[in-house]
Amino acid sequence: GENVEQHPSTLSVQEGDSAVIKCTYSDSASNYFPWYKQELGKRPQLIIDIRSNVGEKKDQRIAVTLNKTAKHFSLHITETQPEDSAVYFCAASIGGGTASKLTFGTGTRLQVTL
Amino acid sequence: DAGVIQSPRHEVTEMGQEVTLRCKPISGHNSLFWYRQTMMRGLELLIYFNNNVPIDDSGMPEDRFSAKMPNASFSTLKIQPSEPRDSAVYFCASSFPGQRGETFGSGTRLTVV
Repeated sequence: GENVEQHPSTLSVQEGDSAVIKCTYSDSASNYFPWYKQELGKRPQLIIDIRSNVGEKKDQRIAVTLNKTAKHFSLHITETQPEDSAVYFCAASIGGGTASKLTFGTGTRLQVTL
Repeated sequence: DAGVIQSPRHEVTEMGQEVTLRCKPISGHNSLFWYRQTMMRGLELLIYFNNNVPIDDSGMPEDRFSAKMPNASFSTLKIQPSEPRDSAVYFCASSFPGQRGETFGSGTRLTVV
């Protein structure tokens, strides 16, 4: 089955700096890659996603890149703010079928310091 | 849309007792997922259903855990008997084909003492 590895497990940046979280996946058939943000005590929530027919997607201060050949994808957060502090999960799935599940990475705890 | 609804939000029970967690997926979603989250093991998929049929239960830790989905709008996760190591946050999520990812409920925080 699919295996998703995520690095780093913790990341501390100063407010205003950029943060990058990287994930690799094992199943070349995976074609959908969402990122979730989980604030303390809250549910995971989708913040951005990318499909395999696209190399990069951007939404305001967050962007995701995908390298299908290398089977890795990354989350980039620019101009970080204290409210970006949370745990971020990457995931991969073979989407488009009648039944598909997400395989999640182990999470990255991002701390944005003042 | 009320989102994915889970109950109870918190459950404290004694070791050996039966625990039942409940989930109502978003109307129209045909896939339902149960996850367990702990600090040590992260977010683990326990089981998921498609059109009310269990598709993959390989994540269910042992026979003490069981899940049912009697209809498209309701699912339960049961632990019997419960043990302290079952203490975790249990999330239910739902989706439909073509949707962006899965939508999570607020979770049930289970404490077994």
